[in-house]
Amino acid sequence: SQTIHQWPATLVQPVGSPLSLECTVEGTSNPNLYWYRQAAGRGLQLLFYSVGIGQISSEVPQNLSASRPQDRQFILSSKKLLLSDSGFYLCAWKGGYNSPLHFGNGTRLTVT
Amino acid sequence: QQQVKQSPQSLIVQKGGISIINCAYENTAFDYFPWYQQFPGKGPALLIAIRPDVSEKKEGRFTISFNKSAKQFSLHIMDSQPGDSATYFCAALTGNTPLVFGKGTRLSVIA
Repeated sequence: SQTIHQWPATLVQPVGSPLSLECTVEGTSNPNLYWYRQAAGRGLQLLFYSVGIGQISSEVPQNLSASRPQDRQFILSSKKLLLSDSGFYLCAWKGGYNSPLHFGNGTRLTVT
Repeated sequence: QQQVKQSPQSLIVQKGGISIINCAYENTAFDYFPWYQQFPGKGPALLIAIRPDVSEKKEGRFTISFNKSAKQFSLHIMDSQPGDSATYFCAALTGNTPLVFGKGTRLSVIA
């Protein structure tokens, strides 16, 4: 069966510090991978998605970037965090055509 | 065109009652409609999904009703329980494009 791992679960970082969040998927190959952000009590904002190694689509211009160095690994990064980067970050994967999205358990990021 | 409009934003239901959440879409190319359930501090989990070739799908206490001509679909939770208290998201999809999510409904089931 397929599983998605996302870490860390919580993170407190000072403004201006770098960020690296990692997500890996097991039990499937060539998944579509996604990063979402969710502000407190709000909806799901798509940040990046990738349909293959090295292929990244950005939905929202901002202080973040994403990379996919391996087939089942998706990394969300920032060189300098802003207060507005605080939120709940969710990684997700999807199989083939018209298949559902499966989410990880998220990382709660607080920028202080 | 790409939006999915979800209502209500929040909902309070008595234990044992029926919870109803509605979604509407514009893009007629959407052909897969999942619902997600999210508990605080957790990622959303797929609850139930429907394709437009059927008008209703039922899994236990959860039912999706789909009206293709009206471009609307809804989630019904029968015999609502306090454990159903969560945020629910509808979504729509066509092909390999990213899912388009509604803004979510916070459901509270009170005893």
